[in-house]
Amino acid sequence: QPVLTQPPSVSAATGQKVTISCSGSSSDIGKNYVSWYQQVPGTAPKLLIYDNNQRPSGIPDRFSGAKSGTSATLGIIGLQTGDEANYYCATWDSTLSAGVFGGGTKLTVL
Amino acid sequence: QLQLQESGPGLIKPSETLSLTCTVSGGSIRSRNYYWGWIRQPPGKGLEWIANIYDTDITYHSGSTFYNPSLRSRVTISVDTSKNQFSLRLISVTAADTAVYYCARVSLGAAFDSWGQGTLVTVSS
Repeated sequence: QPVLTQPPSVSAATGQKVTISCSGSSSDIGKNYVSWYQQVPGTAPKLLIYDNNQRPSGIPDRFSGAKSGTSATLGIIGLQTGDEANYYCATWDSTLSAGVFGGGTKLTVL
Repeated sequence: QLQLQESGPGLIKPSETLSLTCTVSGGSIRSRNYYWGWIRQPPGKGLEWIANIYDTDITYHSGSTFYNPSLRSRVTISVDTSKNQFSLRLISVTAADTAVYYCARVSLGAAFDSWGQGTLVTVSS
């Protein structure tokens, strides 16, 4: 069972916005940075957000990240069909000294 | 730019040992600013973190290897700075270890910022 909880799926229309939640605990999200990944089936995951809200170079500002307490959120605005993918959150668990992922959320762009 | 490439057998038998190597190019594995890690993904399922390693020759950080508690008894991660590679060893494999295995560079904030393309390992007799 994944340590971090994500909704299995979300959907929204082209051009609209969507948020994906990631819920953890005081030992993981509560104490550490959160990162987000986009994975198109059949390809390697790609880093979208690191350190809660930072975008690597090349990631458009349509993608944003936020963290509050033991939860984090990925936001995507101006949805495009190319955004259809699976999205994962991840962080570090300070008690376990281990990396943890969410179960993933499948985004469908209608 | 940084590139990572996994290599290893695509098919192994139950109870055998899985050995994978990640070759890093376009950058040095000896960095104070990064760990190196392995992640796997069973077919049709989500991502599972396996292990991280920090170059043991750099004593800036205390503790250099970290393992998924559920795999700790079977997993070893190591680094070969002379070859700019790091490796994963998983003993006593079963069908449940069938997955795409990815290697990645890991920031100090625990973000996996560069990934290999992944290699499918199937455990089957």
